[in-house]
Amino acid sequence: EAGVVQSPRYKIIEKKQPVAFWCNPISGHNTLYWYLQNLGQGPELLIRYENEEAVDDSQLPKDRFSAERLKGVDSTLKIQPAELGDSAVYLCASSSQGTAAFFGQGTRLTVV
Amino acid sequence: DQQVKQNSPSLSVQEGRISILNCDYTNSMFDYFLWYKKYPAEGPTFLISISSIKDKNEDGRFTVFLNKSAKHLSLHIVPSQPGDSAVYFCAATAWGTGNQFYFGTGTSLTVIP
Repeated sequence: EAGVVQSPRYKIIEKKQPVAFWCNPISGHNTLYWYLQNLGQGPELLIRYENEEAVDDSQLPKDRFSAERLKGVDSTLKIQPAELGDSAVYLCASSSQGTAAFFGQGTRLTVV
Repeated sequence: DQQVKQNSPSLSVQEGRISILNCDYTNSMFDYFLWYKKYPAEGPTFLISISSIKDKNEDGRFTVFLNKSAKHLSLHIVPSQPGDSAVYFCAATAWGTGNQFYFGTGTSLTVIP
């Protein structure tokens, strides 16, 4: 069974430019998460989807971040415009009810 | 407010000895606890979990212990191997409130050959 797939693995952009990350969850997993991980910290939730509905986006900086999961399967996370402080690893994970969350390999974003 | 805490940023252990990683939580509603392992440049990998109805769960060299009264869990690795060197994250969730996982800040384990 394929795991959570994220792309790209690495991205370097100049500040004020837009960037987008893509995630394909494990087949059959209804819950999809986007996490932010800074160096030396644990994953911090940005947004959680149940199917196509965003049920928890309280930690998503909505002035510059947006996300979508249109058909309840794969998802994109966008930052526009990017700031230097957005440099981090962006992790996507998926789960079913009663199971652990399984993570993709992450996208390491560097804003210069 | 950090609901899951790992107070030891790092731990070094000799190969073959026991590694004990600790985790504390504050939310009494948590009923499912997990440990993840993370290598550099990779996403966290699920390692082992435990439900609040148990106080111990074992999987090969890995055992997780849960002390609900103390709101504390620990991961024991016996015997430790150099390949176990990684960052370990503790996580918790309350199934009744949805599939929301809360993570600690991680403990970097180094197993010395």
